[in-house]
Amino acid sequence: DVKVTQSSRYLVKRTGEKVFLECVQDMDHENMFWYRQDPGLGLRLIYFSYDVKMKEKGDIPEGYSVSREKKERFSLILESASTNQTSMYLCASSSGAQGGETQYFGPGTRLLVL
Amino acid sequence: AQKITQTQPGMFVQEKEAVTLDCTYDTSDQSYGLFWYKQPSSGEMIFLIYQGSYDEQNATEGRYSLNFQKARKSANLVISASQLGDSAMYFCAMRGRDQTGANNLFFGTGTRLTVIP
Repeated sequence: DVKVTQSSRYLVKRTGEKVFLECVQDMDHENMFWYRQDPGLGLRLIYFSYDVKMKEKGDIPEGYSVSREKKERFSLILESASTNQTSMYLCASSSGAQGGETQYFGPGTRLLVL
Repeated sequence: AQKITQTQPGMFVQEKEAVTLDCTYDTSDQSYGLFWYKQPSSGEMIFLIYQGSYDEQNATEGRYSLNFQKARKSANLVISASQLGDSAMYFCAMRGRDQTGANNLFFGTGTRLTVIP
């Protein structure tokens, strides 16, 4: 079974703090993704990566950066957290070229920025 | 532009009955894929079923089936014999090209299904 894990289920941070969200997958997938989920808006893609050290902007990259130094790990960084970044963050991975097919998701991190 | 529409914010179904969750999509891609995911209150997105645009037969996975009508651009999820554990948020998604040409998933806004005992 594919397993995608995220470092925290719940996180509370203060405005201006630097926040790291970690995602690890154990299936040797080429592709990894970060989404945020807000009520009524569905899932929106923040960043994605098709290979180690590769990253591409999704639909809403502003205020975020990412790092993929190893194939199994994809980190989302909030350089200076703001209250409008309070959200549910979901990481996903998939195999195959150019984004692949089925994406498998982690359990999500609920981030609250005060 | 790729777009997924789920017009039912919430649905109720009696236990053991069947229910259909609607999904329509808009794309100019010739090759695309359609997915359904389930999200229980715990938050994890669980993959349920996949249909490729060139697949002629409707996809089925256990109690889940995807009613694919290509000409109408619809990909409705049918859940047969509903169970209490089916109560969750359901998302329809489409794999297609974004504005940069990358192959990514586009999600609808979801339908919350409640199964009544």
